[in-house]
Amino acid sequence: DGGITQSPKYLFRKEGQNVTLSCEQNLNHDAMYWYRQDPGQGLRLIYYSQIVNDFQKGDIAEGYSVSREKKESFPLTVTSAQKNPTAFYLCASSFLTGGNQPQHFGDGTRLSIL
Amino acid sequence: AQTVTQSQPEMSVQEAETVTLSCTYDTSESDYYLFWYKQPPSRQMILVIRQEAYKQQNATENRFSVNFQKAAKSFSLKISDSQLGDAAMYFCAYVEGASGTYKYIFGTGTRLKVLA
Repeated sequence: DGGITQSPKYLFRKEGQNVTLSCEQNLNHDAMYWYRQDPGQGLRLIYYSQIVNDFQKGDIAEGYSVSREKKESFPLTVTSAQKNPTAFYLCASSFLTGGNQPQHFGDGTRLSIL
Repeated sequence: AQTVTQSQPEMSVQEAETVTLSCTYDTSESDYYLFWYKQPPSRQMILVIRQEAYKQQNATENRFSVNFQKAAKSFSLKISDSQLGDAAMYFCAYVEGASGTYKYIFGTGTRLKVLA
């Protein structure tokens, strides 16, 4: 079955440490997205990519970095510069047809500070 | 810039009753799509229903239907015969059509409680 796989499900970060969240899709989608979700808030866009080796900052990119070396993969690194990383992170993907084909989501990664 | 507003942080409905969740949006575009996503306690985002802006007919999916008022920029979700499994966060989302940036704009969500 096609879908989006996020790993790990739970992740803990120590002070000053960078951590990487994995996102892989086998839906042949062109675009991939990373969102952050905090309690009582909606989804806020961190980064998105429409094509391999290209990505754009979303609304809250500071303290995060991404890469898109393969169409299927879009890992997110939470750097030590992100002072409040505790949140639920969702990865999504879609075709580049606007809303004609909606976004599909992974199951998310919960990141906490040790 | 486009915005999506969900003015009801929380709603409650009795089992088997009908509830309507509100969503308004702001855009100057004419070609766009609107969605309702459901996020149950498992945190997985599930597409509930989709509406194309160029279609005047309101979308329906079984017990879920929308009231799309393009001129008023309103996109409400009606859940009929509510079930306990409908309890979740519901997010309204907007994306431009094929010529857009493919960035989805989400509202802040409405938490729906279903009372037995």
